[in-house]
Amino acid sequence: EAGVAQSPRYKIIEKRQSVAFWCNPISGHATLYWYQQILGQGPKLLIQFQNNGVVDDSQLPKDRFSAERLKGVDSTLKIQPAKLEDSAVYLCASISSGGSYNEQFFGPGTRLTVL
Amino acid sequence: GDSVTQMEGPVTLSEEAFLTINCTYTATGYPSLFWYVQYPGEGLQLLLKATKADDKGSNKGFEATYRKETTSFHLEKGSVQVSDSAVYFCALSDSQFYFGTGTSLTVIP
Repeated sequence: EAGVAQSPRYKIIEKRQSVAFWCNPISGHATLYWYQQILGQGPKLLIQFQNNGVVDDSQLPKDRFSAERLKGVDSTLKIQPAKLEDSAVYLCASISSGGSYNEQFFGPGTRLTVL
Repeated sequence: GDSVTQMEGPVTLSEEAFLTINCTYTATGYPSLFWYVQYPGEGLQLLLKATKADDKGSNKGFEATYRKETTSFHLEKGSVQVSDSAVYFCALSDSQFYFGTGTSLTVIP
């Protein structure tokens, strides 16, 4: 079974530029998450999708971050414009159902550096 | 709201030493509890989980028991190896996932 795919793996941009990250979850996984992991901290949830609908985006900085999952499969997270404090690893995870007992499967992450 | 508090690191142990990483949680309901491991340059991987009180999760010699009375899920291993060097995250899941800040473990030969 293929895992969660993310691209790119690394991205370096200057502040005020835009950037987009892509995630393809495990086939058949209805729920998809985007996390931000700042160095030395645990993952912080940005947004949760159930199929193509948003379940929770309460911690997404909506003035600069956006995410979509149009066909309920792969997803894109965008930052526009980027700030220095956005430097982090962006993790995508998926889960087969919303049950609390199910584990999340994580992708390798995209490491973003904002200069 | 729900939260997870993890023992701060970094932790440095000699090979074959006993490992304990403390984790306590706050939750309003009956969450599932997880330990994830992150090896250098890799994504998070599930290490073990427990879905109800008194359950013991185990994998690769690691164990953790879901203690409702003390709201804890401490990670233990009897004899660590160099290959166990990684960052360990405690997490809980009810309506969403909450992660601890992570504990970095380095095992020296």
